[in-house]
Amino acid sequence: DIVMTQSPDSLAVSLGERATINCKSSQSVLYSSNNKNYLAWYQQKPGQPPKLLIYWASTRESGVPDRFSGSGSGTDFTLTISSLQAEDVAVYYCQQYYSTLLFTFGPGTKVDIK
Amino acid sequence: EVQLVESGGGLVQPGGSLRLSCAASGFTFSSYWMHWVRQAPGKGLVWVSRINSDGSSTSYADSVKGRFTISRDNAKNTLYLQMNSLRAEDTAVYYCARPPASGYGYFDYWGQGTLVTVSS
Repeated sequence: DIVMTQSPDSLAVSLGERATINCKSSQSVLYSSNNKNYLAWYQQKPGQPPKLLIYWASTRESGVPDRFSGSGSGTDFTLTISSLQAEDVAVYYCQQYYSTLLFTFGPGTKVDIK
Repeated sequence: EVQLVESGGGLVQPGGSLRLSCAASGFTFSSYWMHWVRQAPGKGLVWVSRINSDGSSTSYADSVKGRFTISRDNAKNTLYLQMNSLRAEDTAVYYCARPPASGYGYFDYWGQGTLVTVSS
């Protein structure tokens, strides 16, 4: 099984400042035949289902503000919120879909306003 | 507009059974693989099961294998999760989730979820 870890568990950032969340997979999620990283990021606000932000590690979902960006390859990935807004307070999850028989999520990172 | 609406959750005793449904609309249901993902209260997301577009192929998380069965009725645009031998640790909000048309396993649409509580 591919185990996903995230750091930090939580962080507090001032409005307008940058927030950075890290995600690490226990094995590479880079598929060599198409050079794609099978890694997605989601945002979940209280009482709501998750919302897809990023897929293929760095492709922003339609309608997602461009302050959200994803980067990384292989086993190490980052979600960056370039200028934190009040509406970005949420828990953020990474997910690997490289293993098509067992999809796994990271434990989540809670983002708050400082 | 894509909509996924789960139903069938509730309170059930340990060892009991429950069937969840997910009614889909706004897209060609029969063309998409579908998934169930759950979230225990205050905890993270856990993938549960998936089914291919015609229902001929399924897979499950080890924690539910042999107890849960995923199925679909493409004529009714509905996804199901039959849950047997329920345990306290199965208590969670259960979401149905749709991947993109390509079938790759990230989820671009989610239902609002249905709460399953396993308790005596």
